[in-house]
Amino acid sequence: GAVVSQHPSRVICKSGTSVKIECRSLDFQATTMFWYRQFPKQSLMLMATSNEGSKATYEQGVEKDKFLINHASLTLSTLTVTSAHPEDSSFYICSASGGSYEQYFGPGTRLTVT
Amino acid sequence: GQQVMQIPQYQHVQEGEDFTTYCNSSTTLSNIQWYKQRPGGHPVFLIQLVKSGEVKKQKRLTFQFGEAKKNSSLHITATQTTDVGTYFCAGRAPGAGSYQLTFGKGTKLSVIP
Repeated sequence: GAVVSQHPSRVICKSGTSVKIECRSLDFQATTMFWYRQFPKQSLMLMATSNEGSKATYEQGVEKDKFLINHASLTLSTLTVTSAHPEDSSFYICSASGGSYEQYFGPGTRLTVT
Repeated sequence: GQQVMQIPQYQHVQEGEDFTTYCNSSTTLSNIQWYKQRPGGHPVFLIQLVKSGEVKKQKRLTFQFGEAKKNSSLHITATQTTDVGTYFCAGRAPGAGSYQLTFGKGTKLSVIP
C-alpha cells in the first residue's frame, strides 16, 4: 500500500521558535496533501489542504501566517509552525491523496512547546 | 458547517461480544469513509461507502450507509483483542473539493480478553 512518512516524529522546542514538519509520499505522487491536528482523545481537525504548486487552502480559524504550508513537489509538503507557543503543542498528522478517494496518513509528529 | 457526530465515544466489550459504532452527519454526504487508529498509531483507511443503503463486509466488519446518506454504522462481530483502537468515520460533502473529509470524534474500542 501507499506509504507516507513524516519527520520528525517528535519535537520539543522553546516558545517563540519555529518548527518545520515534513510529510513525504514515498511510493506515489500526492496531488493533494492534508494537514490535521489531533488533541488527546479528540478527533482529527483539518487545518489545511494543499495541492502541489499552489497555495494551501486553510480551514476557518487556522492562522495562515502561523502555520505555513508549502507543497513544492508531488512527494513533499511541509508545515512550519512559526513562533510556537505552548498552546500549539499537539499531534500533527499529514495525509496524502494520489487522486483516489483514499487518504494515506503519515505516522504523525508530536510537537511539545515549552 | 458540516458536522459529523459519532457515538458512543467509548465502548468496552468482552472478547467475543459484538460492537457497533454509529455516525451521523448534519448534512447529506456524497460518501463516507471509515478509518481505524490503533493506540499510538495513525489512522488507516478501512473502507468507503458511496451508494444510498450500501452495505459492505470485510470479514467480521460490516459497514452500512443510510438511505438518506446522512448516517452510517460499523459493526464488528465477535470482537478480538486485535480490534482494539479508535474507529473514525469521515464524511465528504457533495461538491467538496480535493477529497476533503470531516471526521467524527471517533469511538474508542477496548476489548477485554
